[in-house]
Amino acid sequence: SAVISQKPSRDICQRGTSLTIQCQVDSQVTMMFWYRQQPGQSLTLIATANQGSEATYESGFVIDKFPISRPNLTFSTLTVSNMSPEDSSIYLCSVEFAGSLQETQYFGPGTRLLVL
Amino acid sequence: AQSVTQLGSHVSVSEGALVLLRCNYSSSVPPYLFWYVQYPNQGLQLLLKYTSAATLVKGINGFEAEFKKSETSFHLTKPSAHMSDAAEYFCAVRSGNQFYFGTGTSLTVIP
Repeated sequence: SAVISQKPSRDICQRGTSLTIQCQVDSQVTMMFWYRQQPGQSLTLIATANQGSEATYESGFVIDKFPISRPNLTFSTLTVSNMSPEDSSIYLCSVEFAGSLQETQYFGPGTRLLVL
Repeated sequence: AQSVTQLGSHVSVSEGALVLLRCNYSSSVPPYLFWYVQYPNQGLQLLLKYTSAATLVKGINGFEAEFKKSETSFHLTKPSAHMSDAAEYFCAVRSGNQFYFGTGTSLTVIP
């Protein structure tokens, strides 16, 4: 497994502003993912972040709203841009190691975002 | 398309009683199945996973799950609930590089 940390752990933001969430892993991983968990709901994949290439976004999510960086094999950022109250969610990063398709996704502790 | 259905968004059990959380999946290929637990104000922690080996999978904290292909199910059980088991539980199926999560079951343990 891996130790995954996220910063900030929580934040309260004003609408119209942007917040960048950091995800740090203690070992090199091939694939990193960003999820959103809206209040009382399950996880929805926002995008897959691979080192050295553009992030791949899921339907309903766009780069202008959720720009992602993946500068190396242990770090990624997700920015929530021009926030509105509807963006209030838990944002989780997860990682996956190279190798068998049976590998598991390991999750960070999440960033709890409240937009006023 | 892959999907996961968790029956019962809320389950309450008495301390010491059997825990049964239901998960049914839809998959066109042999699935990889997972159970995750989310404690309050925390991220997701892997409980156990099925990867086409033994159909009865044992996980952490005394939980286990049985893969039943004929029923397309992967229900999570624990013989005796503990107060510390109160949490949100998510079933997930993997397809390619993507995980598809169920809507979650909130477990309450009554003292």
